[in-house]
Amino acid sequence: AQKITQTQPGMFVQEKEAVTLDCTYDTSDQSYGLFWYKQPSSGEMIFLIYQGSYDEQNATEGRYSLNFQKARKSANLVISASQLGDSAMYFCAMRGPGGYQKVTFGTGTKLQVIP
Amino acid sequence: NAGVTQTPKFQVLKTGQSMTLQCAQDMNHNSMYWYRQDPGMGLRLIYYSASEGTTDKGEVPNGYNVSRLNKREFSLRLESAAPSQTSVYFCASREPGQGAYEQYFGPGTRLTVT
Repeated sequence: AQKITQTQPGMFVQEKEAVTLDCTYDTSDQSYGLFWYKQPSSGEMIFLIYQGSYDEQNATEGRYSLNFQKARKSANLVISASQLGDSAMYFCAMRGPGGYQKVTFGTGTKLQVIP
Repeated sequence: NAGVTQTPKFQVLKTGQSMTLQCAQDMNHNSMYWYRQDPGMGLRLIYYSASEGTTDKGEVPNGYNVSRLNKREFSLRLESAAPSQTSVYFCASREPGQGAYEQYFGPGTRLTVT
């Protein structure tokens, strides 16, 4: 079974600073993938970044990077140069192997960026 | 392209009433999903459809049924609503095999059962 753990219910960061949101996972599969989604107060789910279990380099997308440490089963999201618009809920998620690829979500971290 | 659309946006039901949540996508995706989101619990998978003509249970299927009407549309039915089904419901779609495995989400339906 897949499990995602996000231990930070809420975090604050100063505008223009970097912030790391923690995510640990558990799976017995060799092939899997990890995602981060952003959910602003308006409610929509916005895809940010993806890392496959066989990808050797950490994924980056603009100001977002995924710090993937396979041995520690962690997939932390790093946001550089925080902006006020980054205030939102952030969800870590994992897909399993196979064509269907069930996705399991964590409980989320609420990030608030302070001016 | 509209992406993934859901109707209605809001709904209030009385216990025991039935209703169907509609979802449609215009991205020609094969796989579609229904999730519910409750405070403090993230998103939990209710049902999914890996491709047209197939459906299967997810993590929390009890009290729900689904229909994959065609490749575009995937509906979720509550036969006899209960207060425990008060939640925000998200539909999502994706195309298996594409590199990022990203799921595209609809805007959600906020359902209250009294």
